[in-house]
Amino acid sequence: GQQVMQIPQYQHVQEGEDFTTYCNSSTTLSNIQWYKQRPGGHPVFLIQLVKSGEVKKQKRLTFQFGEAKKNSSLHITATQTTDVGTYFCAIFNAGGTSYGKLTFGQGTILTVHP
Amino acid sequence: GAGVSQSPSNKVTEKGKDVELRCDPISGHTALYWYRQSLGQGLEFLIYFQGNSAPDKSGLPSDRFSAERTGGSVSTLTIQRTQQEDSAVYLCASSLRAGGPKLNTQYFGPGTRLTVL
Repeated sequence: GQQVMQIPQYQHVQEGEDFTTYCNSSTTLSNIQWYKQRPGGHPVFLIQLVKSGEVKKQKRLTFQFGEAKKNSSLHITATQTTDVGTYFCAIFNAGGTSYGKLTFGQGTILTVHP
Repeated sequence: GAGVSQSPSNKVTEKGKDVELRCDPISGHTALYWYRQSLGQGLEFLIYFQGNSAPDKSGLPSDRFSAERTGGSVSTLTIQRTQQEDSAVYLCASSLRAGGPKLNTQYFGPGTRLTVL
């Protein structure tokens, strides 16, 4: 099945600094989703990207899907302590016996120091 | 409306005992997923159900793990003869259906924290 590599595994920033996490695949992806999990909480859906080169924004969060649809990034501008958590990308399996299954990246754990 | 619910929220058991974890998906969602998350780790896929189709069991780590979904709604994950390495948070998620990426936004429950002593 499709695999996705997410980096970095950990990121520590000072409040106000920017943060970026990346997901990379060796194969073309049909779409990519992003989730956020607060400490002690459960993953919550943020956004889905489906088009080549797509860019979407949610306040201070910017999501990009690469032109070749093999990579994606989540960028947070001017981090706040409320941004603390683990950010996961997930890819949709569009073929084979695993059709419909989401495969999650390993996640990036973001710590924001006040 | 109500989200995905799971019970119990916490379960402490002794090694060798069987446990059952329950998931109530969002009403009308036909796809249901189970994941396992160890402390500080990512999401490990276990099993998923789509409507009345045979479940995808490819992620179950051993034959001690099984799951069923009755009436296309509630699901139970059973772990037999629990081991200490089974300790983790077990998350359930549901989606409207698994028939296309736009319909596959997953909504997660709060999880069951399983501790095997």
